[in-house]
Amino acid sequence: NAGVTQTPKFRVLKTGQSMTLLCAQDMNHEYMYWYRQDPGMGLRLIHYSVGEGTTAKGEVPDGYNVSRLKKQNFLLGLESAAPSQTSVYFCASSPEPAGANTGELFFGEGSRLTVL
Amino acid sequence: AQSVAQPEDQVNVAEGNPLTVKCTYSVSGNPYLFWYVQYPNRGLQFLLKYITGDNLVKGSYGFEAEFNKSQTSFHLKKPSALVSDSALYFCAVRHYPRPGGSYIPTFGRGTSLIVHP
Repeated sequence: NAGVTQTPKFRVLKTGQSMTLLCAQDMNHEYMYWYRQDPGMGLRLIHYSVGEGTTAKGEVPDGYNVSRLKKQNFLLGLESAAPSQTSVYFCASSPEPAGANTGELFFGEGSRLTVL
Repeated sequence: AQSVAQPEDQVNVAEGNPLTVKCTYSVSGNPYLFWYVQYPNRGLQFLLKYITGDNLVKGSYGFEAEFNKSQTSFHLKKPSALVSDSALYFCAVRHYPRPGGSYIPTFGRGTSLIVHP
């Protein structure tokens, strides 16, 4: 059982370049999230999705776009990368919190992005 | 609105000693509270949760946490620390399910636990 898989794990970009981070989960979870982790800042929510075809903005959405065309995949795009987007990005998923599901998150291993 | 505070950036403890990592929260209504652990260069892993019932909850790797409603706290504890417990610990909160509510959790900034041999 792979859980939550992120690709790529490492990437170096030049300012202005674009890229897409892919998150795939095989647990049939409804909710998916993209976070960034920076030293001293903890985890900050970029965008999230509560189901296939839906997305919503989190705490720090500027400069990022997302899509959830398939339930198992959640894509994070950077249209024009900036050095301020140098970070470690984490994808997570959770079942819809209801009944026995209390909504704890399952995280991927992270994608380290450097923008020069 | 909901928020989480982890007042200590770093906690140092000697191996074999008890450890406490502090967390306080603010949420409207009853909270769901979580602890996650992050080992170096890894993603976060779920450790334990409080939903309802007994205020002392037990989780993985011998960790436990005590829910205190009057102090709005959910401190993580372990009776005897191991060097392998050294990691980054995150507290998270979200409110009890309600119709039309958001189930998105809010995370604290994390506390680095260092256990010295």
